[in-house]
Amino acid sequence: DSGVTQTPKHLITATGQRVTLRCSPRSGDLSVYWYQQSLDQGLQFLIQYYNGEERAKGNILERFSAQQFPDLHSELNLSSLELGDSALYFCASTKAPDTEAFFGQGTRLTVV
Amino acid sequence: AQKITQTQPGMFVQEKEAVTLDCTYDTSDPSYGLFWYKQPSSGEMIFLIYQGSYDQQNATEGRYSLNFQKARKSANLVISASQLGDSAMYFCAMREGRRTGANNLFFGTGTRLTVIP
Repeated sequence: DSGVTQTPKHLITATGQRVTLRCSPRSGDLSVYWYQQSLDQGLQFLIQYYNGEERAKGNILERFSAQQFPDLHSELNLSSLELGDSALYFCASTKAPDTEAFFGQGTRLTVV
Repeated sequence: AQKITQTQPGMFVQEKEAVTLDCTYDTSDPSYGLFWYKQPSSGEMIFLIYQGSYDQQNATEGRYSLNFQKARKSANLVISASQLGDSAMYFCAMREGRRTGANNLFFGTGTRLTVIP
């Protein structure tokens, strides 16, 4: 158990809908990262938050947004969903910038 | 250019034998970190081992060791005494320095390791 909790584990939704993925980092970890893993794109970095503030953006679509709350949990919002958004979405957290990232079990999103 | 390259889509190893999974990286940042993660069929990403760019010694964690050759920009993972439970996807990843404040990982495409009984 990595200590990073993601909910839900599975999500099936229709095209055009909006979903929210939730992540609770390990206790004491200030940084949260979101990654997307798909068959065609592999593992891609989406966005990073550090202590409530956005720190870095990767290949995140404009239809996607995220935030980190005062209690350090984070949410990734995906809207106007398309079939191609079907993927495994991971949250990871780190204690310090140069330490290893621990990943949650992922949320498997299926858009039908 | 790809920051992380894993050229072996699939590898087979006999149980109890050692296996090397290749990884090369590309960065101009003098400060970086290299990581290996294991992803079993259940999907979770499990951290295995870390090597910092300034570390003088190769990292080891139990049966895992990282063969770090800085001049060649390679960071190969060596798994000794393979076990059936080692069958999984293995990802090499890099985190570049702290200049930008971003600490995200760049991942390779992975190597699927199959351990044969």
